[in-house]
Formats: sequence, structure tokens, C-alpha cells
Amino acid sequence: ETGVTQSPTHLIKTRGQQVTLRCSSQSGHNTVSWYQQALGQGPQFIFQYYREEENGRGNFPPRFSGLQFPNYSSELNVNALELDDSALYLCASSLGLNTEAFFGQGTRLTVV
Amino acid sequence: GDSVTQMEGPVTLSEEAFLTINCTYTATGYPSLFWYVQYPGEGLQLLLKATKADDKGSNKGFEATYRKETTSFHLEKGSVQVSDSAVYFCALSHGGSQGNLIFGKGTKLSVKP
Repeated sequence: ETGVTQSPTHLIKTRGQQVTLRCSSQSGHNTVSWYQQALGQGPQFIFQYYREEENGRGNFPPRFSGLQFPNYSSELNVNALELDDSALYLCASSLGLNTEAFFGQGTRLTVV
Repeated sequence: GDSVTQMEGPVTLSEEAFLTINCTYTATGYPSLFWYVQYPGEGLQLLLKATKADDKGSNKGFEATYRKETTSFHLEKGSVQVSDSAVYFCALSHGGSQGNLIFGKGTKLSVKP
């Protein structure tokens, strides 16, 4: 059974560009959550998807958007990148809303 | 809004020393409380959890008790090992959901042989 995998592991973008990060959830998991972890900080909740529907959102602007596919994999899209968007982006999947969340290793995004 | 406050790190201990990492929270209602660990180069892993007052979560020699009266969930281990070196995060959620977690800033632990 594979765990949560995220791609790419690292990338560098220029301010104003758009980026798409991808997450493959653990087999059978229908719930995916995304977090942003700035350097030296704890992860901050961006949003959660449950069975392809958004099921909660943190305090992030609309330029952060997401998608969950029928196979429960997910994408995080960020438009109009800002320097402060530089962070580690973590994806977590779970069997349902009230079960253990399993985290991927993250995507390190650097905006220059 | 809800928040979690952890003791500042880094914490450096000698092997076999006693570990305490303090965690307090502010939340409405009765949140579930968690400790996650992040080993170097790896993703976050759930270490232990407690879902109601006076519950004690335990795993791998670590334990923490949900104290509603002091709004605390301190992490303890009686004898740390070098392999425990990692960053530890305290977190809370509502309704048992682990998909919408509020994390503290993390405490880095280094254990020296």
C-alpha cells in the first residue's frame, strides 16, 4: 500500500506566476487536506476535500484553489504568486472525516 | 479563534533524560488534541491523540494527558533516545476531524548521545 505522494518535491516560480501542486492520496482514502507550512512555523490549514467536494477552508485568499478527482487525488492551484507564498505545502489524506490523517512529504515552493 | 501555543525550542537533551514539551490551547467547545512528529526529511506522523478531557494518549513511550481545567496537553517521555530527535507539533481539531487541524509552531528536539 503506497502512502501519500506529492509532486513535485521542489520548484521555483517567479512572482505573479501560477503553480499547480499535486497529491496522490493513500489507497482508499476519500478525504484530502492541504496545509501551508512557512519556515519555522506550524502547518496552516488551507482547505479540505471530501468525495470531490470542498469541505472547509482556512483563512486563505481565493487565489488558492483546489480540486479533487474521482480517484481522490487532488491539486492545489495558486494564482498570482507572491513572495510570501514561499513555503512547504503539505497534503494529508484520510479514510474519512474523523479518521487519522496521513501526511505526504510536501512540496517546497520558492517564489522569487 | 482557536489557537495552540507550544514552548519555544530548540530543546537539547542528553540521552535518557526526561522530556516535557508544554502545549496549551484556546478553543471553543471540546476539541480533540494531537501530537505530531516530523523526523528530518519526512512528513508529519501522528504520535498520539486524546479526544476528551482526562484522556491520556500514549505511543512509543510518549504520553500526554488532556487537561481541560488548564487547557493543556503536555508531551512527556521518561527517557529520550537519539532517535527521538525531531520536530514535535501540538494540534487541535473539532469534531474528531483530523483534516482541519490547528497546529502550534513546533518544538525542535535534539538528543545527544
